[in-house]
Amino acid sequence: AQSVTQLGSHVSVSEGALVLLRCNYSSSVPPYLFWYVQYPNQGLQLLLKYTSAATLVKGINGFEAEFKKSETSFHLTKPSAHMSDAAEYFCAVSEKQAGTALIFGKGTTLSVSS
Amino acid sequence: DGGITQSPKYLFRKEGQNVTLSCEQNLNHDAMYWYRQDPGQGLRLIYYSQIVNDFQKGDIAEGYSVSREKKESFPLTVTSAQKNPTAFYLCASSIQGQGQETQYFGPGTRLLVL
Repeated sequence: AQSVTQLGSHVSVSEGALVLLRCNYSSSVPPYLFWYVQYPNQGLQLLLKYTSAATLVKGINGFEAEFKKSETSFHLTKPSAHMSDAAEYFCAVSEKQAGTALIFGKGTTLSVSS
Repeated sequence: DGGITQSPKYLFRKEGQNVTLSCEQNLNHDAMYWYRQDPGQGLRLIYYSQIVNDFQKGDIAEGYSVSREKKESFPLTVTSAQKNPTAFYLCASSIQGQGQETQYFGPGTRLLVL
């Protein structure tokens, strides 16, 4: 069965610093991969997704992620953190077949200090 | 505006009581999903539905029931058999495809036990 591992349940950075949130998936066949963001007591919003078109995916709010098949990874980065980036981030995977739901990692909480 | 609505925002359940969480979407999506979110656990799939009058169990369906009588609506009932119902419940929808579709999330319902 597919699984997703997010390394680090909590990441703290200073404003202006690089943001790196790690995600590894388990699959012999590259799946579809997603990053979602959740602000407190709200639903999830899609940041970006990988669907085989390009390995470097750009998303909203300056985030991007790179799909690396050899490392089975899909880490999320942002060059310069902003206070408004503080939220919980979820990596998710979907198998390449109709009717599949997402499998989520346990999430990483990003804190940004001034 | 198109989107997903969930109601109520907060719901209180008494011992032995069944409660129903509402989820409505006007995005004309065929697929709808229910997830349960617990702190540090990520999102776990309860039920999903690809078309009207059809639905499938997810990973943690025990103690829950759903119906899909209309395309726009996918209510979730938390039965008295669910012994630990306190959680944040998220509904999502997507178009039908091959797994790469974005899931759009509602704002969530927080269920608390009295």
